[in-house]
Amino acid sequence: QSALTQPPSVSGAPGQRVTISCTGRGTNIGAGYGVHWYQLLPGTAPKLVLYGNTNRPSGVPERFSGSKSGTSASLAISGLQAEDEGVYSCQSYDSTLSAYVFGAGTTVSVL
Amino acid sequence: EMQLVESGGGLVQPGGSLRLSCRASGFSISADWMSWVRQAPGKGLEWVANIKKDGTEPYYVESVRGRFTISRDNSRNLLFLQMNSLRAEDTAVYHCAREHDFEAAFGYFDPWGRGTEVTVSS
Repeated sequence: QSALTQPPSVSGAPGQRVTISCTGRGTNIGAGYGVHWYQLLPGTAPKLVLYGNTNRPSGVPERFSGSKSGTSASLAISGLQAEDEGVYSCQSYDSTLSAYVFGAGTTVSVL
Repeated sequence: EMQLVESGGGLVQPGGSLRLSCRASGFSISADWMSWVRQAPGKGLEWVANIKKDGTEPYYVESVRGRFTISRDNSRNLLFLQMNSLRAEDTAVYHCAREHDFEAAFGYFDPWGRGTEVTVSS
């Protein structure tokens, strides 16, 4: 069971906005540790798409945005495109486990 | 271009050992903490271990403590993971990744390697 909880899947039509939630607890997200997001595609290296709750790495489109409040965070993709399909995983740090923790991943499908 | 390439995975019997390697190019690993992260079939990512810039202070997830050893050779830009007493539940793709601080504390991983597959089965 993952320390961070994500919905198994979300979907949307091209051009729509989808949001992925990431729920933790007071020992990880709620303790103030940053939330970071990765895109996972089969056979490729995981790709960082958002770091520090709201920051986009160079090269990541502006349609990717993030937020954090309390013990939860979210990743939003606006203007959904076919190339955005994949699994998205959130990550933080947990002070009780003394370990980096991940969500189980959310599959994004473009209808 | 910064790149990480893992090697050393394979099929091993329960109780056996494997040594994974991770070669960095395009940057020097000596400036950063480095980690191993794994993904078991059908499961999410799981952080396994990390090691301080100078090779001291290794840390492990509880499930591998005492069985796995992380090490590094900064002069050759290499990261290693020695895995002993392997179990079926260690079956996964193992990725190496560079760590970045966030607000002077525990941060995020970038870049990652594509991973090397480890299968523990009789």
